[in-house]
Amino acid sequence: DTAVSQTPKYLVTQMGNDKSIKCEQNLGHDTMYWYKQDSKKFLKIMFSYNNKELIINETVPNRFSPKSPDKAHLNLHINSLELGDSAVYFCASSQDWQGSSPLHFGNGTRLTVT
Amino acid sequence: DQQVKQNSPSLSVQEGRISILNCDYTNSMFDYFLWYKKYPAEGPTFLISISSIKDKNEDGRFTVFLNKSAKHLSLHIVPSQPGDSAVYFCAAPNSWGKLQFGAGTQVVVTP
Repeated sequence: DTAVSQTPKYLVTQMGNDKSIKCEQNLGHDTMYWYKQDSKKFLKIMFSYNNKELIINETVPNRFSPKSPDKAHLNLHINSLELGDSAVYFCASSQDWQGSSPLHFGNGTRLTVT
Repeated sequence: DQQVKQNSPSLSVQEGRISILNCDYTNSMFDYFLWYKKYPAEGPTFLISISSIKDKNEDGRFTVFLNKSAKHLSLHIVPSQPGDSAVYFCAAPNSWGKLQFGAGTQVVVTP
């Protein structure tokens, strides 16, 4: 009964391919996020959704498209993958979007683009 | 533009001693701060937080101190245990709820 689960854990693919990462939370939280941890280990927000509505959309290439079918799920689709997309992607959820309620993270998806 | 900075990438401490992790921030509008702990191949987990109306918050072996005038906070772990070996991230939300993370400090607790 993992709180925030994301699949797959590892994803190896070639440049130009399209791939998706799925995320689900069973905490009943209203807000979900995608974070990217790059090679320098910085954690940077990409998107956040509150009750299925997009509230934060960082300057991320539009090849990245989040989709929230319901408030328990937030998937990330990436088109035309590039070498620079290689990173660890973390899904997270929190009770509210204001930032003071702690985030609960999934265990990450390590994406390697060759 | 890194608004939350952790200038020590690593810290080695003996088991039983105190670990002190430092964090500086540049945005004076930050009013809430959080520390997260991360083990390899896992996501960060929330450890402890502090509101700007306080200067100290304690939870068991973990204490966070906030010095608003210096825009500085620190996390103390006493006594340090082998299971504390992890990467620790300092973070603060801006007014839009966007959590800004520091670069992390790798703590290694040696026997």
